Amino acid sequence: AQSVTQPDIHITVSEGASLELRCNYSYGATPYLFWYVQSPGQGLQLLLKYFSGDTLVQGIKGFEAEFKRSQSSFNLRKPSVHWSDAAEYFCAVVGMDSSYKLIFGSGTRLLVRP
Amino acid sequence: GAGVSQSPRYKVAKRGQDVALRCDPISGHVSLFWYQQALGQGPEFLTYFQNEAQLDKSGLPSDRFFAERPEGSVSTLKIQRTQQEDSAVYLCASSLSGGAEWETQYFGPGTRLLVL
Repeated sequence: AQSVTQPDIHITVSEGASLELRCNYSYGATPYLFWYVQSPGQGLQLLLKYFSGDTLVQGIKGFEAEFKRSQSSFNLRKPSVHWSDAAEYFCAVVGMDSSYKLIFGSGTRLLVRP
Repeated sequence: GAGVSQSPRYKVAKRGQDVALRCDPISGHVSLFWYQQALGQGPEFLTYFQNEAQLDKSGLPSDRFFAERPEGSVSTLKIQRTQQEDSAVYLCASSLSGGAEWETQYFGPGTRLLVL
């Protein structure tokens, strides 16, 4: 079965520092991959998505992610973190048994030090 | 509308009570999804509607869970005889058309259900 692993439960970075959140997936074919952000009291907001083509994907709020098939990874990056980026981040993949069922990782909570 | 809205935002229920959670999707969106998010976990799929048709209910945890979308817009998730393990955030999402892989699912803020 497909699965998504986010190995880091919490990450703390200083404001202005770079960020990389890890995501590994288990999938038999070319995956459809997503990164969502969830701020307290808010719904999940899509940051970026990957389907095919260029393996470096640009998203909103200055985020990018790189698809690496050989490593089954889709890590999220940002060159300079802002305090407002503190939130929970979820990686997701579309399930193989449907075109719509998102399978989420357990999330990484990002804390930003002033 | 501007986004997906859900009500109530918070619900406290006594064990054994029935609850109803409402979702208003983005106007004109064909597809509607319900997810359950337990504390410290990612969301898990519950059910999928295309217009008024419930095409997939494979994620509903038990027959106490029931969802409907009678007119193809607003949806209600009903939980009968609530149990403590039902405590979670229930998220609703909608997408523009038929639930293709590349479509963005737009999520509401969720309803946090606490069963005492």
